Amino acid sequence: QLQLQEAGPGLVKPSETLSLTCTVSGVSISSTNSYWGWIRQPPGKGLEWIGNMYYSGTTYYNPSLKNRVTISVDTSKNQFSLRLSSVTAADTAVYYCTRPWGSYSPSFDSWGQGTLVTVSS
Amino acid sequence: QSVLTQPPSVSAAPGQKVTISCSGSSSNIENNYVSWYQHLPGTAPKLLIYDIDKRPSGIPDRFSGSKSGTSATLGITGLQTGDEADYYCGTWDSSLSAVVFGGGTKLTVL
Repeated sequence: QLQLQEAGPGLVKPSETLSLTCTVSGVSISSTNSYWGWIRQPPGKGLEWIGNMYYSGTTYYNPSLKNRVTISVDTSKNQFSLRLSSVTAADTAVYYCTRPWGSYSPSFDSWGQGTLVTVSS
Repeated sequence: QSVLTQPPSVSAAPGQKVTISCSGSSSNIENNYVSWYQHLPGTAPKLLIYDIDKRPSGIPDRFSGSKSGTSATLGITGLQTGDEADYYCGTWDSSLSAVVFGGGTKLTVL
């Protein structure tokens, strides 16, 4: 059974880089045709797609975040990661790692429990 | 402000039926598949509907999806107290080149 678990600092200072990892269990992260992604939810607001990554490393980012976001994979640890640079208070959110069904698919069938990241000095 | 528009809240009595609307445009809902999610506070969102009207394995047929033009609708019949949650629609927006979501609808089962 597929399980996803986010990990990372809960507090990040403004202008610094937010870094989160997602550990995948129950399936190989490099399984053929598999995608992995990140979604966030600011407090009191709706969901926001951050980006997806194909198992081969090809990435698809939300244009609104594209200049600041990097999603990468570490197959040796069965993990994938999110880095978001130059954060501001607007980046405070619960961050979810997910499994999308395609590069541009709105269907995400597995989610981590989510981790709250607060941007504050 | 979300790209897709949902009513902030809906309510109905146990056993009744409720519908949740999701309004978009020709660049998103009208020409793309729609998914729906159930989100209970403190838990991970759950995929309820994909490709407009399909249910993943394990999702009861009390949940249904449909689309007409630039709007999509989630229907829930036989409401149960356990259905109280936030519901989100999502789709691809070809103008924004991004997956977009609605602002969410809070369902209260009175």
